Amino acid sequence: QVQLQESGPGLVKPSQTLSLTCTVSGASISSGPYYWSWIRQPAGKGLEWIGRIYTSGSTNYNPSLKTRVTISVDTSKNQFSLNLSSVTAADTAVYYCAREDPHAFDIWGQGTMVTVSS
Amino acid sequence: QSVLTQPPSVSAAPGQKVTISCSGSSSNIENNYVSWYRQLPGTAPKLLIYENNKRPSGIPDRFSGSKSATSATLGITGLQTGDEADYYCGTWDSSLSARVFGGGTELTVL
Repeated sequence: QVQLQESGPGLVKPSQTLSLTCTVSGASISSGPYYWSWIRQPAGKGLEWIGRIYTSGSTNYNPSLKTRVTISVDTSKNQFSLNLSSVTAADTAVYYCAREDPHAFDIWGQGTMVTVSS
Repeated sequence: QSVLTQPPSVSAAPGQKVTISCSGSSSNIENNYVSWYRQLPGTAPKLLIYENNKRPSGIPDRFSGSKSATSATLGITGLQTGDEADYYCGTWDSSLSARVFGGGTELTVL
């Protein structure tokens, strides 16, 4: 079955760039029609959608994060990635990658905790 | 604040039924599909309902979804203690061109 796994640093310094990768196993990331999304959740709070990428490479971003977010895909590695620049403590959260099928998030990664601190 | 509005908490006794509401607008719920997710403590959310009222394989028919105009509702019957979790609604917002979620509802099975 299709599985997603997030990876990346658990600690990022303020003003730096947060970089995470989601590895897809069990299916080709190029098979569609799916979007591949990033979602985050600060401790004790709700879900916040960060953005998504289609297999064609087209992207959509949360307007509140748009100026700082880049999502890319590497089909050769069956991965997609998140870069969030100029991070602050407010970006501390559990970050999830998820597949959007395309009307719902049907498969989620287990999540990875990222802390922004000096 | 979240674009979609959910009650912060609901509760009911084991075996009873509970409903969780999700209120939005014409730019999101009214004209787009709604999905529902359950999040057990310390775990990733899990899809319960998609396209307003469809259940993925493996989700029991105790879970149901409905939509009317700018609101959606998740229903859970035959409540079990294992149903205690946070529940989130989600949809696309055409004005924002973004996925949006409700703030989440904590279900307590008394």
